Amino acid sequence: GAVVSQHPSWVICKSGTSVKIECRSLDFQATTMFWYRQFPKQSLMLMATSNEGSKATYEQGVEKDKFLINHASLTLSTLTVTSAHPEDSSFYICSALRRFGNTIYFGEGSWLTVV
Amino acid sequence: AQSVAQPEDQVNVAEGNPLTVKCTYSVSGNPYLFWYVQYPNRGLQFLLKYITGDNLVKGSYGFEAEFNKSQTSFHLKKPSALVSDSALYFCAVRGSGGNEKLTFGTGTRLTIIP
Repeated sequence: GAVVSQHPSWVICKSGTSVKIECRSLDFQATTMFWYRQFPKQSLMLMATSNEGSKATYEQGVEKDKFLINHASLTLSTLTVTSAHPEDSSFYICSALRRFGNTIYFGEGSWLTVV
Repeated sequence: AQSVAQPEDQVNVAEGNPLTVKCTYSVSGNPYLFWYVQYPNRGLQFLLKYITGDNLVKGSYGFEAEFNKSQTSFHLKKPSALVSDSALYFCAVRGSGGNEKLTFGTGTRLTIIP
């Protein structure tokens, strides 16, 4: 099956610093990748949709200057949380839509803790 | 706007019994429907999908789901539950009209009792 890899799985950073999370589709090309945030015991909240080679589309209420998304190739998208604060601590999950397909596959998620 | 409802936050089933996790949806046009499972501290794993064709869809780990257009439902089922099926299950929908975004339900926590 299709594999989506996220790295790092866990990251702790100091308040005010920036942290980057990578999302890679390992065995398929992904024209579209999605970034979600999940709070404890809650469903996934879509943050943004990124298409290869173009700017990401952010959902209402998501600060695009704080959550920088880059989709430089058909297999890699990155989420950078800039000037992180403790309230940014969360579980971030990426997903990828296979090129010419209709199934969206998810990464294993990344736990971010801002101290 | 598209939406998904999972009316049960928690479902408890005895091991060996059949299980059902309910899902209803609302979307413009023909729906693409998905079930995902999430284990603690992990991402989502794809279980099965309905795009077109037979209303009964079979997926991973013995799960199946039945698409019912008149009731706008896509309930997840398994004939005999295993303790290892205990997890959080999400139903999701997207429209077939070019909108690629998935809309998720709030999730149902399934607990299989030994």
